[in-house]
Amino acid sequence: AQSVTQLDSQVPVFEEAPVELRCNYSSSVSVYLFWYVQYPNQGLQLLLKYLSGSTLVKSINGFEAEFNKSQTSFHLRKPSVHISDTAEYFCAVSRVDLSGNTPLVFGKGTRLSVIA
Amino acid sequence: NAGVTQTPKFRVLKTGQSMTLLCAQDMNHEYMYWYRQDPGMGLRLIHYSVGEGTTAKGEVPDGYNVSRLKKQNFLLGLESAAPSQTSVYFCASSYSSGQGLAGAFFGQGTRLTVV
Repeated sequence: AQSVTQLDSQVPVFEEAPVELRCNYSSSVSVYLFWYVQYPNQGLQLLLKYLSGSTLVKSINGFEAEFNKSQTSFHLRKPSVHISDTAEYFCAVSRVDLSGNTPLVFGKGTRLSVIA
Repeated sequence: NAGVTQTPKFRVLKTGQSMTLLCAQDMNHEYMYWYRQDPGMGLRLIHYSVGEGTTAKGEVPDGYNVSRLKKQNFLLGLESAAPSQTSVYFCASSYSSGQGLAGAFFGQGTRLTVV
């Protein structure tokens, strides 16, 4: 079974500073990795995903994440955060087997607070 | 295009009452899921469905039942609500394998309080 560990429950950071949200996973098979963002009182939105190929994946709003198979990590980074990035971020893992996709397994979330 | 729609958005129940949460998707997705979100716990899978007429248990299925009579709808039932079921419930849907690599699409959530 897969599991996901998000190492920080809360991350405060000043506006325009860089940020890294950490995510480690455990699985005995190959996985697909996702980062979701949840703004207050809203559902989850897909931010970016790693499926295969290049280990560095990017979102349209400046976030990026790098898949590191040897360290079983998928950390999320942004070089300069904005107030509007304040939200909760969830790392998730899925795998594909012969019967199809498996449901997403989520980490417990990291609350990013950007301070003006 | 509505995506994933959950009904209702808020509900207060008394202990022992029953209710059904409705999830509807208009993307022709094969897979549908019910998660619950609790502070500090992330999202935990309750039940899911890989196609019309099929359901399967997730991580925390006790106290819940589901049905998928139509492809576009996935119902979550609480037969006898308990305070421990106070939570925010999210429905999600996705394509099956291959196209499922797009990830899951989520509804806006249902905030349920059991008193």
